[in-house]
Amino acid sequence: DGGITQSPKYLFRKEGQNVTLSCEQNLNHDAMYWYRQDPGQGLRLIYYSQIVNDFQKGDIAEGYSVSREKKESFPLTVTSAQKNPTAFYLCASSYKPGQVYGYTFGSGTRLTVV
Amino acid sequence: QKEVEQDPGPLSVPEGAIVSLNCTYSNSAFQYFMWYRQYSRKGPELLMYTYSSGNKEDGRFTAQVDKSSKYISLFIRDSQPSDSATYLCAMSGTSYDKVIFGPGTSLSVIP
Repeated sequence: DGGITQSPKYLFRKEGQNVTLSCEQNLNHDAMYWYRQDPGQGLRLIYYSQIVNDFQKGDIAEGYSVSREKKESFPLTVTSAQKNPTAFYLCASSYKPGQVYGYTFGSGTRLTVV
Repeated sequence: QKEVEQDPGPLSVPEGAIVSLNCTYSNSAFQYFMWYRQYSRKGPELLMYTYSSGNKEDGRFTAQVDKSSKYISLFIRDSQPSDSATYLCAMSGTSYDKVIFGPGTSLSVIP
């Protein structure tokens, strides 16, 4: 079945560590997105990519980095520069950029700083 | 003022009730409107989308858009315990614009 796979489901990070969240899709979608979800707030866009080897900053890119070397993969690195990384991270994809007819989301990664 | 606002709830209703979930927005350029359902510890899934004003029905769900009031609604008829989830509204200006999500309303349907 086609879909988006995020791993790990839960991740614990020590202060000062970089961690990488994986996102893989087999939907043949061009565009991929990373969102952060905090209680009481809407999904906030971190980075997005419309095509391989290209990506743009979203609204809250500081402290995060991404790569898009393959169409299927869009990993997110949470760096030590991100001062409040504890959150639920969601990866999404769409057939075309800004596809308003619906994103496909992964099941998320819950990151906790310990 | 946030671009998209939703009452966070939680909203608790008995099984079989009609549920009304609402969002208000400030950007008059929004033309595409979506509703996502998110179960606990899962990613959101698209329930319905509408373009411009009007109503759209899909089974027990009806989406309504009133652009003059900048107000959208999702109605759930004959609510079921399986409808217990967080409902996120989302909207966009053109088909290539960034999608803006509301914070979500938490719904519990009590058997």
